[in-house]
Amino acid sequence: AQSVTQLGSHVSVSEGALVLLRCNYSSSVPPYLFWYVQYPNQGLQLLLKYTSAATLVKGINGFEAEFKKSETSFHLTKPSAHMSDAAEYFCAVRRRGSARQLTFGSGTQLTVLP
Amino acid sequence: DTAVSQTPKYLVTQMGNDKSIKCEQNLGHDTMYWYKQDSKKFLKIMFSYNNKELIINETVPNRFSPKSPDKAHLNLHINSLELGDSAVYFCASSQDEKLGIETQYFGPGTRLLVL
Repeated sequence: AQSVTQLGSHVSVSEGALVLLRCNYSSSVPPYLFWYVQYPNQGLQLLLKYTSAATLVKGINGFEAEFKKSETSFHLTKPSAHMSDAAEYFCAVRRRGSARQLTFGSGTQLTVLP
Repeated sequence: DTAVSQTPKYLVTQMGNDKSIKCEQNLGHDTMYWYKQDSKKFLKIMFSYNNKELIINETVPNRFSPKSPDKAHLNLHINSLELGDSAVYFCASSQDEKLGIETQYFGPGTRLLVL
């Protein structure tokens, strides 16, 4: 069974600083990987997804993530944090094959300091 | 023109009651899901329906029953509510995957509080 671990339940960065949110997966074969963002009292919105081919995936709002098979990681980055980036971020994994079940990590709360 | 909508947004009820949460998607998707987010924000799949057929049924209590009158709707009925059912319930939908891995689109959530 696949699983995903997000290191750091809370991350604080200053406005304009680099954002790095960590995600490691556990799967017998490389899975599909996703990053979702959840703003307060709202549903989840897809930031980006890795399904195959390019290991560097660009998403919305300036975020990107790199799939590293050797490290079983899919860390989310953004060069310069904006106040509006403050939210909860979830990494999710899905097994290759017919099942569409997403398994989510425990989430990382990003705080952006002025 | 909300893509995935849920009603109600908030639900406060007494232990032992029966309640339903409704979900509708206007995206023409063929698969719909229910997720539960607990107080620690941990998200877990509960059910999934593809073309009105259940394709995932995680180990949730049988007090929870999904009902899909058509492929645009997936309602969640909960019998004999318990304190531990308090959570945020999210509905989601996705398209048929003949052309690639499709994104799941989430509704705004229903915040259920059982007293």
